[in-house]
Amino acid sequence: DQQVKQNSPSLSVQEGRISILNCDYTNSMFDYFLWYKKYPAEGPTFLISISSIKDKNEDGRFTVFLNKSAKHLSLHIVPSQPGDSAVYFCAAKGTYKYIFGTGTRLKVLA
Amino acid sequence: NAGVTQTPKFQVLKTGQSMTLQCAQDMNHEYMSWYRQDPGMGLRLIHYSVGAGITDQGEVPNGYNVSRSTTEDFPLRLLSAAPSQTSVYFCASSYRTENTEAFFGQGTRLTVV
Repeated sequence: DQQVKQNSPSLSVQEGRISILNCDYTNSMFDYFLWYKKYPAEGPTFLISISSIKDKNEDGRFTVFLNKSAKHLSLHIVPSQPGDSAVYFCAAKGTYKYIFGTGTRLKVLA
Repeated sequence: NAGVTQTPKFQVLKTGQSMTLQCAQDMNHEYMSWYRQDPGMGLRLIHYSVGAGITDQGEVPNGYNVSRSTTEDFPLRLLSAAPSQTSVYFCASSYRTENTEAFFGQGTRLTVV
């Protein structure tokens, strides 16, 4: 029973364009969501987060949007750069633990 | 500040062998956890701990054992390795406060033959 879902295993985007990564969750009790970025042979690193009291959070080129009624969040990267090529994990914070999606591999083409 | 340190980085085991994956953090985090990453499966929670002396099972605990005798250390024990435990293992830690992120180690790539 996957509580956090990333339905797109991969995404390719041209350099300079917008990348949109999507994530759905099933538990309406989740109130804090995070995005992590992972390069090969490294651990995941925190990218950006959003609390359920907000519907948008921005940090430079990265923006996360939260739609609570649809139980959906998305990560926008504008403009996309080749260094953004990585696997992106969406996560929700439950009681004491973080629940991750299956990840989306983003490839930014130069 | 080292953050979260995992050892070893790579390990090959024979079926039936046991071993311990080490994890240490120097951030005084209350919460620590172990995940495994497999292709198409994302990061799945094995065990977690909310403080010294307290551990609980995650999504895929079978075949693994943990203990938390100090705030800093959270070792993961494979009792009798099986090929299905071939994976990349990540340790993570975080503060107990609500809206905070987890910090991950660099991972241990384990192969069981």
